[in-house]
Amino acid sequence: DGGITQSPKYLFRKEGQNVTLSCEQNLNHDAMYWYRQDPGQGLRLIYYSQIVNDFQKGDIAEGYSVSREKKESFPLTVTSAQKNPTAFYLCASSIQQGISGTDTQYFGPGTRLTVL
Amino acid sequence: AQKITQTQPGMFVQEKEAVTLDCTYDTSDPSYGLFWYKQPSSGEMIFLIYQGSYDQQNATEGRYSLNFQKARKSANLVISASQLGDSAMYFCAMRGFQKLVFGTGTRLLVSP
Repeated sequence: DGGITQSPKYLFRKEGQNVTLSCEQNLNHDAMYWYRQDPGQGLRLIYYSQIVNDFQKGDIAEGYSVSREKKESFPLTVTSAQKNPTAFYLCASSIQQGISGTDTQYFGPGTRLTVL
Repeated sequence: AQKITQTQPGMFVQEKEAVTLDCTYDTSDPSYGLFWYKQPSSGEMIFLIYQGSYDQQNATEGRYSLNFQKARKSANLVISASQLGDSAMYFCAMRGFQKLVFGTGTRLLVSP
């Protein structure tokens, strides 16, 4: 079955540590995205990638980094520079990034990060 | 800038009844797309339905339909014949330039 997987489901981090969240898709989608969700709020875009070896900052990229070495994978690193990293992180993908409004994004199950 | 507003923090409905979840949007783009997602307690965002700004007819997907009123800038989600499994958070979103812009969501509770 095609889909998006994220691991781990739950992640605990000590202050000052970097952690990497995994996102893999086998949908053959070109574009991938990382969102952050805080309680009672919608999703906010962290980073997105339209194609392998290329990515752009979203609205809240400070304290995060990404890589896109393979089409299927788009890992997110939460660095120690992120002041308030405790949140729910969702990865998404879509067939292609473009101006078309029909470019539906499909989401993975999410990773809940807690900083101790 | 694009903005999505969901004014209902919570809604209650009895099983088998219909419910409407409100969504208004603001954009200056002539072409845009509107989406609804369901987020159960497990956390995954599940795509429900899409409406394009130039679509002549309201979108429908099974029990879901989108009441699109372009002049009022509203894109309300209608769920017919509610089921207990419909209890979840529902998010309206708009396709902006290279991202989705989300509302704050509406929590729907379906009672037996």
